[in-house]
Amino acid sequence: GIQVEQSPPDLILQEGANSTLRCNFSDSVNNLQWFHQNPWGQLINLFYIPSGTKQNGRLSATTVATERYSLLYISSSQTTDSGVYFCAVDDGGSNYKLTFGKGTLLTVNP
Amino acid sequence: GAGVSQSPRYKVTKRGQDVALRCDPISGHVSLYWYRQALGQGPEFLTYFNYEAQQDKSGLPNDRFSAERPEGSISTLTIQRTEQRDSAMYRCASSPFGNPSGNTIYFGEGSWLTVV
Repeated sequence: GIQVEQSPPDLILQEGANSTLRCNFSDSVNNLQWFHQNPWGQLINLFYIPSGTKQNGRLSATTVATERYSLLYISSSQTTDSGVYFCAVDDGGSNYKLTFGKGTLLTVNP
Repeated sequence: GAGVSQSPRYKVTKRGQDVALRCDPISGHVSLYWYRQALGQGPEFLTYFNYEAQQDKSGLPNDRFSAERPEGSISTLTIQRTEQRDSAMYRCASSPFGNPSGNTIYFGEGSWLTVV
C-alpha cells in the first residue's frame, strides 16, 4: 500500500512563530487531506488538497502532486494550534480508504 | 445531527465480553467509515459503507469484528470476545457522496475502548 511520511515528528514553538509541516507520499493520489487532532481527541478536517494551494485564515497548504509531497503552513501560531497534525491520502486503487501518516505533534507555548 | 455522533465515548470491558459501538453520521451522508486509532498513531481503516451496503471490510482485523448499517444511516461496530489488543479508539466518519474521493470526510469524537 501507499506510504505516508510526515516530518518533523515533534515540533515546539513559541506563540507567534511560524511553522511548516511536511507530508511525503509514495504514489500518485486522488485525495489528500490534512487533519488536526486537538488535545481533547477531536479530529478536524483542515484541507482537502490533492493538488494546488489553499488558504484558510492563518493556515495554508500546498500539494505538489508530481513530486509527491504536501506542506501545511501555520503562521502566527497560537496555543490553540497545539495537537497532532495528520496527513492522509487515498490508498492506491481505492477512492475511499485513507492512509494516514503518523502525524506531527505540535506544542505551542505561551 | 450537526456532526458525527458516537457512543459510548468511553467503554471499559472485561476480556471475553462483546461490545457494540454506535455511530450516527451527519444527516444525509451517503458514505460511512470506521477507523481504529492506537495511541500515538494515525487512524487505520477498518470498513466502508455506501448507504447500507458494506463495500469494503478488508481492514477488519479478524472475524471477531463486524459492522452493519442496516438502514443506511446509523452504524454499529461489534467486537466479539474482546481481547486486550482490541484496546484503542474507534472512530466513525462520514462524507456526503457515494464517491468519496474528493469529499471532505468528517470524523466523530471516537469511542475509547479499554479491555481489561
